[in-house]
Amino acid sequence: AQKITQTQPGMFVQEKEAVTLDCTYDTSDPSYGLFWYKQPSSGEMIFLIYQGSYDQQNATEGRYSLNFQKARKSANLVISASQLGDSAMYFCAMRLNTGGFKTIFGAGTRLFVKA
Amino acid sequence: EAGVAQSPRYKIIEKRQSVAFWCNPISGHATLYWYQQILGQGPKLLIQFQNNGVVDDSQLPKDRFSAERLKGVDSTLKIQPAKLEDSAVYLCASSPGQGRYEQYFGPGTRLTVT
Repeated sequence: AQKITQTQPGMFVQEKEAVTLDCTYDTSDPSYGLFWYKQPSSGEMIFLIYQGSYDQQNATEGRYSLNFQKARKSANLVISASQLGDSAMYFCAMRLNTGGFKTIFGAGTRLFVKA
Repeated sequence: EAGVAQSPRYKIIEKRQSVAFWCNPISGHATLYWYQQILGQGPKLLIQFQNNGVVDDSQLPKDRFSAERLKGVDSTLKIQPAKLEDSAVYLCASSPGQGRYEQYFGPGTRLTVT
């Protein structure tokens, strides 16, 4: 069954340090995309980064990078130089590129950045 | 470029009443999604449209929920009759398509069923 697992309900990080948010996924489809979204307390979901299942290199977008390990079915988000504004919920999501093109979200990780 | 618009932002209804939500996606985005996000959980896809057509509605409770996307632009999601467990935030999102599947979300509609 297709599934996204985020095992860290909450994480703390010191301002200016790096933090890794874990995401593992399960699918038998050969083609899929992996996404990370940020949801601040205001509620609006914001797209951060994307990794395709056939991409050879890890995706990077500014301070965000995605550590993609296909054999382990993991797609961890790394945030470098954390800022106070990074405090939010972070969701990992998977889009299947076959069948119904369904998108599945994980339960999320709440990140707290300490000054 | 304008973002995804949703209305209303908040709605309180009694159980067994009906309610409708409206979404206007980003201009030119062919794919539109409706999600249900219960407090403390990740969003759950209810229905996905590609232009006018439904791509996936496997998790839509069809006995009480319905959705349409006329002319491939705006969309409405309706609940009739509402149950207490329908209390949630309803999120609308859209994707550019043509190989780009990242989703852009609206502010959501917070529904409370009493």
